[in-house]
Amino acid sequence: KNEVEQSPQNLTAQEGEFITINCSYSVGISALHWLQQHPGGGIVSLFMLSSGKKKHGRLIATINIQEKHSSLHITASHPRDSAVYICAVGGGGADGLTFGKGTHLIIQP
Amino acid sequence: NAGVMQNPRHLVRRRGQEARLRCSPMKGHSHVYWYRQLPEEGLKFMVYLQKENIIDESGMPKERFSAEFPKEGPSILRIQQVVRGDSAAYFCASSPPGGVTQYFGPGTRLLVL
Repeated sequence: KNEVEQSPQNLTAQEGEFITINCSYSVGISALHWLQQHPGGGIVSLFMLSSGKKKHGRLIATINIQEKHSSLHITASHPRDSAVYICAVGGGGADGLTFGKGTHLIIQP
Repeated sequence: NAGVMQNPRHLVRRRGQEARLRCSPMKGHSHVYWYRQLPEEGLKFMVYLQKENIIDESGMPKERFSAEFPKEGPSILRIQQVVRGDSAAYFCASSPPGGVTQYFGPGTRLLVL
């Protein structure tokens, strides 16, 4: 069973700061997902990674398969980025995901 | 192409009643997943279905919970004789055949009084 650890659990930062959220997992995977969940809201899939790096707007996600580690970066953070960011891993094919506990991010103006 | 749809968005039940949660996957998606998010906890996998088949139900409680994905119509997660501990957000996700990326629905928030 894969264990997914995220850090930090909570993060408060000022608008404009560079944000990094980390995710480590214990068992080799074929894909890692970064998800965003707003308070009381649904879940949005931000990235699905199997290797290397992906960028979308101010968001960057990287993964190191050998070290079983991924990071999500937010550049020029904004209060609307405030949300819970969740790392999830899948073992391959189309199986169910295993989730981290999430990182609660608050960006203050 | 509409996204994954779930209904109802909010459901209130009294202890002992039945709860039925529906999920309509994205068009062309034949794989459906159900996840549960208990208050103050992370998401947990419940069940993975393809049309007319349960592929993996390792995350489903052994009693009172069942899921189906019929040939026609939405996937249904059914909870019989609900208890207060069933209060949670239930999310459905879908993926296309052979796909790995899962697309999430808005969730159904179940409250058991």
